[in-house]
Amino acid sequence: SQTIHQWPATLVQPVGSPLSLECTVEGTSNPNLYWYRQAAGRGLQLLFYSVGIGQISSEVPQNLSASRPQDRQFILSSKKLLLSDSGFYLCAWQSGTASTDTQYFGPGTRLTVL
Amino acid sequence: AQSVSQHNHHVILSEAASLELGCNYSYGGTVNLFWYVQYPGQHLQLLLKYFSGDPLVKGIKGFEAEFIKSKFSFNLRKPSVQWSDTAEYFCAVVQDTGFQKLVFGTGTRLLVSP
Repeated sequence: SQTIHQWPATLVQPVGSPLSLECTVEGTSNPNLYWYRQAAGRGLQLLFYSVGIGQISSEVPQNLSASRPQDRQFILSSKKLLLSDSGFYLCAWQSGTASTDTQYFGPGTRLTVL
Repeated sequence: AQSVSQHNHHVILSEAASLELGCNYSYGGTVNLFWYVQYPGQHLQLLLKYFSGDPLVKGIKGFEAEFIKSKFSFNLRKPSVQWSDTAEYFCAVVQDTGFQKLVFGTGTRLLVSP
């Protein structure tokens, strides 16, 4: 069966520090991968998605970047965190490309920037 | 741009009460609709989805949702809630254009008291 992992589960970082969040998927190959963020009082917002290794699409301009160095690994990064980067970050995967396919979510990382 | 509105941010019910959570979206074209649920300590998971056919769809754990195209709505219902339904519920929409980029509502926190 497929599983999705995210780490760390929680993170407290100072403003201006770098960030690296990792997401890995097991039990499937060539998944579509997604990064979402939920800021306080807001819905889940799609940040990045990837259809393959090295292929990243950004949905909103921001202080973050994403990379996909391996088929089942998706990394969210920042060189210098801002207060506004605080939130709950979710990684998701999807096996197909149809709009009717289900996305499966990881456990999330709660990031607090102080 | 699409948007999704969930009007109830917090709902408190007693066991056996009926539940209806509202969801409205703004996109006028063909859409696929989802309800996701996050139980305490668990991953966000799919509750049910609609993409064609009978506008009344049934999901897991006795939940159902009705797609009313003329009202741009996809309300979630359950005739009799249980304490175990305590969770956060998210409505999501995707354009039926082939690639799934979900747009989520802000979520509704449901607390069911025993």
